[in-house]
Amino acid sequence: GENVEQHPSTLSVQEGDSAVIKCTYSDSASNYFPWYKQELGKRPQLIIDIRSNVGEKKDQRIAVTLNKTAKHFSLHITETQPEDSAVYFCAASQGTYKYIFGTGTRLKVLA
Amino acid sequence: DSGVTQTPKHLITATGQRVTLRCSPRSGDLSVYWYQQSLDQGLQFLIQYYNGEERAKGNILERFSAQQFPDLHSELNLSSLELGDSALYFCASSVELADYNEQFFGPGTRLTVL
Repeated sequence: GENVEQHPSTLSVQEGDSAVIKCTYSDSASNYFPWYKQELGKRPQLIIDIRSNVGEKKDQRIAVTLNKTAKHFSLHITETQPEDSAVYFCAASQGTYKYIFGTGTRLKVLA
Repeated sequence: DSGVTQTPKHLITATGQRVTLRCSPRSGDLSVYWYQQSLDQGLQFLIQYYNGEERAKGNILERFSAQQFPDLHSELNLSSLELGDSALYFCASSVELADYNEQFFGPGTRLTVL
């Protein structure tokens, strides 16, 4: 069945460095790719998303890139700060159907 | 605040019991998703309802059931509870446009089975 693979499962970076999290999806009909951030004990919240007709999107220190041919999309966080420490989930959605989450990446930003 | 509400926030019960978790979606959202998140685990998709009808099923146990009512609120029923059912249960609602489908999560219900 359709799935979304997410790597790495844990990532530690020094404060100020960049962090990259990668996801691969299997359903070529997927057209919406959100990223959620979940802080400890809290709800997941959308931080950035990208539609299939766009290759890259940036919002301040966060950017997402999409390669439809390879069915890859990635989250890039620059100038990481301690408050970026959280679990990040990618997801792939096909319109109003099939919302599939990745397995999550625990990011630790070391001060 | 996402606009999605869940009750109760915490629930402590014993093995073999039955509980009901409640979710009210954001105003105007027709779709409700339920997820289970065990300690340090990912989001396990359980079930999705759209405008009162079941749309998709994930890894939902037969001891679990859900429904969405005409006013669009949803309930997740967990029966014959086991220790392993202890987890955080989230519901989410979504806009579901053709190319935009952000999910808005509720605060979750933390279930502890003793």
